[in-house]
Formats: sequence, C-alpha cells, structure tokens
Amino acid sequence: AQKITQTQPGMFVQEKEAVTLDCTYDTSDPSYGLFWYKQPSSGEMIFLIYQGSYDQQNATEGRYSLNFQKARKSANLVISASQLGDSAMYFCAMREGLTGGGNKLTFGTGTQLKVEL
Amino acid sequence: GAGVSQTPSNKVTEKGKYVELRCDPISGHTALYWYRQSLGQGPEFLIYFQGTGAADDSGLPNDRFFAVRPEGSVSTLKIQRTERGDSAVYLCASSSTGTDTQYFGPGTRLTVL
Repeated sequence: AQKITQTQPGMFVQEKEAVTLDCTYDTSDPSYGLFWYKQPSSGEMIFLIYQGSYDQQNATEGRYSLNFQKARKSANLVISASQLGDSAMYFCAMREGLTGGGNKLTFGTGTQLKVEL
Repeated sequence: GAGVSQTPSNKVTEKGKYVELRCDPISGHTALYWYRQSLGQGPEFLIYFQGTGAADDSGLPNDRFFAVRPEGSVSTLKIQRTERGDSAVYLCASSSTGTDTQYFGPGTRLTVL
C-alpha cells in the first residue's frame, strides 16, 4: 500500500481564492510527522509546514494551514489567498518514528497547482 | 545564512562511467540525507548520515551506489558503472539534531547517455 497518497495530479485556483490539496497517509506507527513541501519549476524543495502526530492543534504558517484529521489519516494543505507565485508542485511527506530520530521522509507523487488571474 | 548547496547542478555522463555528486549541508546540521527524484515522481530516499556514519542506507538501489561523509559535513554520493536508469535529480537535505524538518538543496540533475 502507498504510504502517502495524493489523488490530485493537477489543480487550478483563481488568484486570491483558497485551495485545498489532499493528502492521505498510511502508517501503523503511533509516532509520525507530516510535512508539505513546495517545488517550483526551479526544482528546489521548499519546506512549508509540519504536523506531528501528537499535536493537538492544526499547524499554521502564514497563508498555509494543515487540516489534520487523524482518524481519517488525512493531512490536507490549505493555501489561503492564492498568489501567482504559489504555482508549483506540492508534495506531502511523512516521517515514521519519534521526532528527531533522523528518519527518512516518504513522499507522495505530488499535486501541480496552477494559480490563474 | 547559507542553505544546502550541491555541485554540480548538472552532470551529463556516458553509460558505464563513474560520477561523484557533492552536497554541502547547512552549517551545524548533523543529519544529512540523499534522495533521488525521477521525472514526475516524488523524491525517494537513498541514504541518511548522522555525523560521519551512515545510519540508514536501505534506499540505495544496488552496490553501484555508495556515499561518504568523512568529516561529518560535506557528503559525496558516488555512482559506479552508471546506467541510463540512473538518470534523475539527486537531492540532498540536512536537518539539525533533535528536529525533523529537512532542508533541501537545489539538486544535481544527472543524465546518463
């Protein structure tokens, strides 16, 4: 089974609108972390937001928020007030095991977001 | 401050040749990771270093791939007898002790002809 599933290969959003990028995950480890990264056409992976499995509140970082639904094993990224510069590939990733254990990230296949005027 | 740097940014080689890819992590970061990203896919884990030692090399596809980090800072990924299927972007990331967030470099695009 896929550990990280991103079912939206491509998404379009109007500038200034909000958009939700879906991510579901699969793990039997009670300790895990979920990450979202942005990859513009330049290729660099840019860290956006992190949610730990024991965190009680949904993570927020500026215009980014993570809608963490533990029972559903989903960790959707919400981008508010979309900007043209948000056009990029977005990857959801998971770390299994305790924080700081140096564990690898497992990535999904990504969602290509296009922000339109 | 300086981020993760990788050299070269692009490498074109012929099938059967040997290549070295270099990663310079963020200063003070003890953990270093190598990933490989094929076209249209997410990055896939190759190897993780904590300090000088490889703590997890379970992602290396075969014994043609090897990585070192002799002084606990710069790392080199070495690929022997390259094959066309090795063509991909090789990403390096680093993180500091006790944290999870991995910061990535710009990657090296390897093309094997």
